[in-house]
Amino acid sequence: AQSVTQPDIHITVSEGASLELRCNYSYGATPYLFWYVQSPGQGLQLLLKYFSGDTLVQGIKGFEAEFKRSQSSFNLRKPSVHWSDAAEYFCAVNAGNMLTFGGGTRLMVKP
Amino acid sequence: EPEVTQTPSHQVTQMGQEVILRCVPISNHLYFYWYRQILGQKVEFLVSFYNNEISEKSEIFDDQFSVERPDGSNFTLKIRSTKLEDSAMYFCASRGDRVGPYEQYFGPGTRLTVT
Repeated sequence: AQSVTQPDIHITVSEGASLELRCNYSYGATPYLFWYVQSPGQGLQLLLKYFSGDTLVQGIKGFEAEFKRSQSSFNLRKPSVHWSDAAEYFCAVNAGNMLTFGGGTRLMVKP
Repeated sequence: EPEVTQTPSHQVTQMGQEVILRCVPISNHLYFYWYRQILGQKVEFLVSFYNNEISEKSEIFDDQFSVERPDGSNFTLKIRSTKLEDSAMYFCASRGDRVGPYEQYFGPGTRLTVT
């Protein structure tokens, strides 16, 4: 069965610093991978997705993610974090007709 | 920009009562979903719905749960007799065509509290 692991439950970075959130997946077939962000009191907003092709994908709000099949990873990155990026981030894999989510990483941004 | 909406934002109910959570998916979407997130836990898939029938459901989605698309716009989740462990955030999502983009668009959620 498919699974997604986000090893970091909490991450704190300083504003302006770079960010990398880790995601590892387990899925037998070619994965469709997603990153969602959830701000307090909000729903899940899609940041970016990977289906095929270029393994480096660009998303909204200056985020990007790199798919590495050999490492079963799909890490999310941002070169310079803004205070408004503080939120919870979820990695997910599309398995058939459903999404399987990781446990989430809560990002805090220090001024 | 079109979005998924959900009502109510917060529902408090007593154990054993029936609740109906409502969702309005994006208008031209064809696939509809319910997920839930118990506090501090992962977002979990409950059920998917296509062409007026359930296409897939998880083991969480037992006989106490049902879904319906009563008209052309609403998509509802009913819990027949709520239990304390049903307390969670419930998210509705929708997706467009079955071929092509697989991204699901989520609503803001309904927080269900069972007392």
